[in-house]
Amino acid sequence: RKEVEQDPGPFNVPEGATVAFNCTYSNSASQSFFWYRQDCRKEPKLLMSVYSSGNEDGRFTAQLNRASQYISLLIRDSKLSDSATYLCVVITHTGRRALTFGSGTRLQVQP
Amino acid sequence: DADVTQTPRNRITKTGKRIMLECSQTKGHDRMYWYRQDPGLGLRLIYYSFDVKDINKGEISDGYSVSRQAQAKFSLSLESAIPNQTALYFCATSVGVDEQFFGPGTRLTVL
Repeated sequence: RKEVEQDPGPFNVPEGATVAFNCTYSNSASQSFFWYRQDCRKEPKLLMSVYSSGNEDGRFTAQLNRASQYISLLIRDSKLSDSATYLCVVITHTGRRALTFGSGTRLQVQP
Repeated sequence: DADVTQTPRNRITKTGKRIMLECSQTKGHDRMYWYRQDPGLGLRLIYYSFDVKDINKGEISDGYSVSRQAQAKFSLSLESAIPNQTALYFCATSVGVDEQFFGPGTRLTVL
């Protein structure tokens, strides 16, 4: 089983739709969580951190469920510019901090 | 100018050749990382360095070596390139373990 798993998609949604992605992690010692965005053939960039209490940034909401070991990203009112691959990142604090990327979920927003 | 730069951006080489990928940063970060990205596998950590005297193997270090020449420079070498090292390589920097700042990537093809 992979340490961090994501549905690869693609998720094809119309503009204005709400879409949600999940990411599961296997190591219960994981303590820090993030969502990165990667445009085609470009470098990943931090989208948002994921806090235990959940957090929102404009149209984006991130949630953490420690009991079930998953994080989620909700995008409301999807824009064409949201089309990208979304990578979840999990940091495990055992000795040296180990940062693990999921393989990404591709989102395609259609006009 | 970009904060994290990588050279070359594209490289085609033959099996058995020695290749060096270079990364420079102007962010003043102590921590630097090398990742490779393959379709469907996400980003995997090759090596990381928390300061000039600290080099650590990542998940997939076999076949690679690194050199941290200065705080701002971190090079990745393939001593004898093989076709399964064909991938997109990213350098990244960070202050702590939170946000990582990526370079634009080097697309390496080994024939």
